[in-house]
Amino acid sequence: GEDVEQSLFLSVREGDSSVINCTYTDSSSTYLYWYKQEPGAGLQLLTYIFSNMDMKQDQRLTVLLNKKDKHLSLRIADTQTGDSAIYFCAERAGGYNKLIFGAGTRLAVHP
Amino acid sequence: GAVVSQHPSWVICKSGTSVKIECRSLDFQATTMFWYRQFPKQSLMLMATSNEGSKATYEQGVEKDKFLINHASLTLSTLTVTSAHPEDSSFYICSAGWDEQFFGPGTRLTVL
Repeated sequence: GEDVEQSLFLSVREGDSSVINCTYTDSSSTYLYWYKQEPGAGLQLLTYIFSNMDMKQDQRLTVLLNKKDKHLSLRIADTQTGDSAIYFCAERAGGYNKLIFGAGTRLAVHP
Repeated sequence: GAVVSQHPSWVICKSGTSVKIECRSLDFQATTMFWYRQFPKQSLMLMATSNEGSKATYEQGVEKDKFLINHASLTLSTLTVTSAHPEDSSFYICSAGWDEQFFGPGTRLTVL
């Protein structure tokens, strides 16, 4: 079956790095995504990684993928208060285009 | 990235009435769009896959006669919540795209 799990809450100090972790179960997943949702808003695509990649970096964001362990992480460097939001990990189920979402990790950034 | 819009952004209706929500891809064509619902402090649950020119594919447990989906053009999909009840109150979000999936801003439905 398909299942995506995330820790529910992360608190970091402004300027530190944040690391949000995610595990998934579908070994045939082709793409894995990170989305950001601010209160009352839709989802903003932050980045995604193809399953044959180990790492992807985009400015302050670094995605690491361990396909053997089915583990995905999102690292946000120099975390700012504007990064406070809920971050969703999602996998694209193999053979389909639908996304399976984790429960979301609430990131709180404090001074 | 590409832009997906939804209308309305919020709606309040009386129990028993029907509500239509529109999802548009503004700068690209989408043969497939997806409808999700999100309850407060919860994740997104896929309701159905909207296919242009054919019937929608519903996820298990989603009543197709209650949540009517029409994908009449390559840029527009509509979700109609028929005979709405308070338990249908939720945040409804659509998405479109392929490798990159872009989400609309969501529609908050409140049924009184």
